[in-house]
Amino acid sequence: DIQMTQSPSSLSASVGDRVTITCRASQGISNFLAWFQQKPGKAPKSLIYAASRLQSGVPSKFSGSGSGTDFTLTISSLQPEDFATYYCQQYNAYPFTFGPGTKVDIK
Amino acid sequence: EVQLVESGGGLVQPGGSLRLSCAVSGFTFSDHYMDWVRQAPGKGLEWVGRIRNKANSYTTEYAASVKGRFTISRDDSKNSLYLQMNSLKTEDTAVYYCARGGSSYVTDYWGQGVLVTVSS
Repeated sequence: DIQMTQSPSSLSASVGDRVTITCRASQGISNFLAWFQQKPGKAPKSLIYAASRLQSGVPSKFSGSGSGTDFTLTISSLQPEDFATYYCQQYNAYPFTFGPGTKVDIK
Repeated sequence: EVQLVESGGGLVQPGGSLRLSCAVSGFTFSDHYMDWVRQAPGKGLEWVGRIRNKANSYTTEYAASVKGRFTISRDDSKNSLYLQMNSLKTEDTAVYYCARGGSSYVTDYWGQGVLVTVSS
């Protein structure tokens, strides 16, 4: 199975900050990488697919990049509604696997 | 509006069975792959499995942790997805989400989730 890691596991940031989260795959996955946002007690929300393509309705403050094994999710200007846990997922090979998550909270 | 609504969760004893349902609306269900994803209390997301559409013979994929115990099925005439869970273990306790595979086969919409508790 492809193992996914994320760093950091948590971070504290202020409103307006630029935030970057890293996701790494244990083997090359081309660009078959998705990002999800989850708020406490809520279902995940899909943000990005194909490493860099925004899902419909997702604001452009979110961006993704990377290919192969190393990927990043960037939030350009953190807003109160962005405080959440973010997960990456590879869908290059079955079984699909998620990273352990990065919790973004308020500094 | 795309909607996915899970039902059928509850408390079950170890070794027991449970069947989850996911009723969908707002899109052509028969065109899409569908997934189940779960989340144990306080833990991260775990992909459970996928069922492809009719054009791809309704074939399925499963995580190793559930293979042989869980079965994913669908009824396109009822716009419904199912997860039959047998030989349940305490470690299967989780919120179970159904999710839609979008145009690139990656998850794009999620249900609200249903809690399954396996305990004696």
